[in-house]
Amino acid sequence: DQQVKQNSPSLSVQEGRISILNCDYTNSMFDYFLWYKKYPAEGPTFLISISSIKDKNEDGRFTVFLNKSAKHLSLHIVPSQPGDSAVYFCATHPVRWGSGNTPLVFGKGTRLSVIA
Amino acid sequence: GAGVSQSPSNKVTEKGKDVELRCDPISGHTALYWYRQSLGQGLEFLIYFQGNSAPDKSGLPSDRFSAERTGGSVSTLTIQRTQQEDSAVYLCASMRDSGANVLTFGAGSRLTVL
Repeated sequence: DQQVKQNSPSLSVQEGRISILNCDYTNSMFDYFLWYKKYPAEGPTFLISISSIKDKNEDGRFTVFLNKSAKHLSLHIVPSQPGDSAVYFCATHPVRWGSGNTPLVFGKGTRLSVIA
Repeated sequence: GAGVSQSPSNKVTEKGKDVELRCDPISGHTALYWYRQSLGQGLEFLIYFQGNSAPDKSGLPSDRFSAERTGGSVSTLTIQRTQQEDSAVYLCASMRDSGANVLTFGAGSRLTVL
């Protein structure tokens, strides 16, 4: 039973436009969320995170929005660049930050293609 | 080292053989995790180490899978009597300590069982 769901396996966006990647989770106890980016033949790399005390976190072209009532988060990339083409994974820790090393639970990922 | 190092990067084996996958975490990182990614799937948690002990082995798919960590550093994931469904990319990640949240991943070991 998937605790973190990314319902879109792929997304295609034109260069310069906004990319929106979505993620839904099942448990309202989840309170810290991360996005990872993965290029082929490389390990996932951390991109951006958000704690449930916030509803938005921004880092350059990347913004993550959290809607706790809907148990939904999204990653916005604007403007999208061809180098952003990768698989993006949403992940969460099932317990409060700092209280233990529970493993990250990942979604299945969304493959983003940014077309020049 | 500067990053998480995994070896081999690629392993092709015959069904029924045993394989060992190695992970060398970032120096000083006390927590170490193994995940795997099968074709079309997300990252599946296998096992986690804090120091040399494994508080959470809940993700190991069967008793053919085992892992150990020695000296609080290098970890080995062993798969005995490999099956075709074991084919996947096996990813290792390390984390500084229990107060951290961000995992740093290695490039993975791609296992193909023929």
